Amino acid sequence: GQQLNQSPQSMFIQEGEDVSMNCTSSSIFNTWLWYKQDPGEGPVLLIALYKAGELTSNGRLTAQFGITRKDSFLNISASIPSDVGIYFCAGQSREAGGFKTIFGAGTRLFVKA
Amino acid sequence: SQTIHQWPATLVQPVGSPLSLECTVEGTSNPNLYWYRQAAGRGLQLLFYSVGIGQISSEVPQNLSASRPQDRQFILSSKKLLLSDSGFYLCAWTRVGADTEAFFGQGTRLTVV
Repeated sequence: GQQLNQSPQSMFIQEGEDVSMNCTSSSIFNTWLWYKQDPGEGPVLLIALYKAGELTSNGRLTAQFGITRKDSFLNISASIPSDVGIYFCAGQSREAGGFKTIFGAGTRLFVKA
Repeated sequence: SQTIHQWPATLVQPVGSPLSLECTVEGTSNPNLYWYRQAAGRGLQLLFYSVGIGQISSEVPQNLSASRPQDRQFILSSKKLLLSDSGFYLCAWTRVGADTEAFFGQGTRLTVV
């Protein structure tokens, strides 16, 4: 089945540093999504990308939809302690009758003040 | 506005007991519905998705089943729980007919003892 390879698995950074994480797949996706999950909660959408090559920002977050439609990256600039959490990429593909969403394994971010 | 409800929030069940987790969506019609499982410290694994009443696609062979008795109701079940069924279960929905993000419920933490 479809799989997303998300890296790195975890990151330990100092407050103020920039962060970069990415997802790759052998499959093509119509949409790339980036989510953040706090402990004990469901993931919350950060950025959605709908077109190959699209570059979108949301505050200190920037994400891009790869030209090949098989990859995406998320950057966080000037990290702060509340950035701590698990970040998931997700790819959406068209299936019969609708869309299917597949998630990467997540990048666990730790920020030291 | 659309909302998604998932219950219970936490559940402790003995091995061999049955399971029923319920998810309902309000404020939209004919959504695509999903059940994901997240093992401790791991990513989100798609278990089932549904594009309509009575239409269920299973992604991973397992001890669980899903049903969609009504348009906005999605149920995850098991006849006999295994220890390996422990995890964080998330229900999600997406709109039909367009590339769009998935919206998640708050999740159910299931512990099988």
